[in-house]
Amino acid sequence: AQKVTQAQTEISVVEKEDVTLDCVYETRDTTYYLFWYKQPPSGELVFLIRRNSFDEQNEISGRYSWNFQKSTSSFNFTITASQVVDSAVYFCALSDLGGSARQLTFGSGTQLTVLP
Amino acid sequence: DADVTQTPRNRITKTGKRIMLECSQTKGHDRMYWYRQDPGLGLQLIYYSFDVKDINKGEISDGYSVSRQAQAKFSLSLESAIPNQTALYFCATASGTSSTDTQYFGPGTRLTVL
Repeated sequence: AQKVTQAQTEISVVEKEDVTLDCVYETRDTTYYLFWYKQPPSGELVFLIRRNSFDEQNEISGRYSWNFQKSTSSFNFTITASQVVDSAVYFCALSDLGGSARQLTFGSGTQLTVLP
Repeated sequence: DADVTQTPRNRITKTGKRIMLECSQTKGHDRMYWYRQDPGLGLQLIYYSFDVKDINKGEISDGYSVSRQAQAKFSLSLESAIPNQTALYFCATASGTSSTDTQYFGPGTRLTVL
């Protein structure tokens, strides 16, 4: 069975600090996809990134970077030089190819607050 | 215009009432999903559909039903609403021909059952 754990329920940082959001996953499949979504205070879910299990290269997009390590089953998300607009709930999610459902299993989310 | 729309955006109803939440998409995706989000929790899958003739239960389907009226429309019904169905409901879509599995979400419907 799939499981995604985001152990950090809430994180608070001061603007311009770097912050890392942790995500640990469990799956029995060798092929799977990992995702991060952002949920700002307005409530919508915004897709940030998708990572294939065969691609362990780190990814950087502006101030965002992702560290995928299969050895520790982790897919951590770092925001560099955080800004107030980064305040949101961030969800990590997993989709494996076992069965036909292509379902997403979500972690419980990390509430990030960036203080001015 | 948004690719995935949900109506209504907010709804307050009373226990025992029937309510329908609607989702429409212009992305041309085959797969559509309904999730609910409770405070402090991630999203839980209610129902999903791979095409108009395919409907499947998710992990928390009890008390809900769905209708896939067309490729672009997927409705969620609460036949007799109860207070513990108060939640934020999301519709999502994904391409049936792509292996990327990325799901794109609508803006959500905030439902309160009194």
